[in-house]
Amino acid sequence: DSGVTQTPKHLITATGQRVTLRCSPRSGDLSVYWYQQSLDQGLQFLIQYYNGEERAKGNILERFSAQQFPDLHSELNLSSLELGDSALYFCASSLGGAGTTGELFFGEGSRLTVL
Amino acid sequence: AQKVTQAQTEISVVEKEDVTLDCVYETRDTTYYLFWYKQPPSGELVFLIRRNSFDEQNEISGRYSWNFQKSTSSFNFTITASQVVDSAVYFCALRGNNDMRFGAGTRLTVKP
Repeated sequence: DSGVTQTPKHLITATGQRVTLRCSPRSGDLSVYWYQQSLDQGLQFLIQYYNGEERAKGNILERFSAQQFPDLHSELNLSSLELGDSALYFCASSLGGAGTTGELFFGEGSRLTVL
Repeated sequence: AQKVTQAQTEISVVEKEDVTLDCVYETRDTTYYLFWYKQPPSGELVFLIRRNSFDEQNEISGRYSWNFQKSTSSFNFTITASQVVDSAVYFCALRGNNDMRFGAGTRLTVKP
């Protein structure tokens, strides 16, 4: 158990809909990262937050947005969903932000299926 | 820009064989960290090892060993006497001044 909690574990929805994925980092971790893993694909970095502030942005679509709240949990919002958004979405946390050495601890992922 | 290349998409071995997973990276950062993660069929990502750019000592942990060569920008992972439970996708990752970037992964299948 990594200590990172993601909900929901599975989600099935239709094209055009909007969903929110939630992540609670490990106790004490200030950074939250979101990654997308499509079928048989590697991990694509989406976005990173550190203590409530956006720190780094990857290949995140404009239809996607995220935020980190004062209690450090984070939400990833996916809107106007398309079939190609079907993927496993991972949240990870680490103690520090950019420039720190720590490994990321990953949640179990949220599997999104868009029909 | 940071980049991690895992040229081996899939590897299949028979149990007890040794296997090496290759990882080549690119970065302009002078200080960086390299990682290996394992993703078993159950889907979670399991941290295996972290190395910093100033420490080129090889590391051994049980049947696992890692060879870091800065001169060739490589951080290879060897599993000795592979077992069926080693079957998984293995990701190499690089962390510099910003986010952590992952390679495409190598799917290892160990057959009994």
